Amino acid sequence: AQSVTQLGSHVSVSEGALVLLRCNYSSSVPPYLFWYVQYPNQGLQLLLKYTSAATLVKGINGFEAEFKKSETSFHLTKPSAHMSDAAEYFCAVTHSNSGYALNFGKGTSLLVTP
Amino acid sequence: DTAVSQTPKYLVTQMGNDKSIKCEQNLGHDTMYWYKQDSKKFLKIMFSYNNKELIINETVPNRFSPKSPDKAHLNLHINSLELGDSAVYFCASSRRDNTEAFFGQGTRLTVV
Repeated sequence: AQSVTQLGSHVSVSEGALVLLRCNYSSSVPPYLFWYVQYPNQGLQLLLKYTSAATLVKGINGFEAEFKKSETSFHLTKPSAHMSDAAEYFCAVTHSNSGYALNFGKGTSLLVTP
Repeated sequence: DTAVSQTPKYLVTQMGNDKSIKCEQNLGHDTMYWYKQDSKKFLKIMFSYNNKELIINETVPNRFSPKSPDKAHLNLHINSLELGDSAVYFCASSRRDNTEAFFGQGTRLTVV
């Protein structure tokens, strides 16, 4: 079975500061890893995904994440936060042996202050 | 055109009622899912269908029954609604290898 743990249910950054959202995974097989963003009262939008190709993955809106097998991590970063980045962020893992259903972390709420 | 559409967006109903949520995708995907997001925003898989065949059926009360008339539709029927069923329900679809799942806008179900 696969699972992810997101460290920090709430993260607050200043506009223009580095965004770092942490995700650690547990998987007995090579995982597929994802970051999704959810804006208030909306569905989930894929930010980026890791599917065993390049370990540094670039996504939309300036976000990127690095797959580190030795640390079982897939942290999400953005060099400079914008007010519009305020949202709920979910890390997720899947694999064929789980029918490709996504197992989500508990989410991290990102607050961006002026 | 919305890729994954759910109706209704909001649903308020009384305990004991039976209700349905509809989902349609126009992406040509083979696999569709239902996820439940609780009041703490935790997302959990409920069901997964591939080409109208049930693939995943997590520990969900049998009051919940998915129905897939064709691979573009996956509806969720809920019988004898309870207060604890209040949540946001998301439909999603993907290709069989699920390298990217597309989500609907969600249906906020409130049971009173």
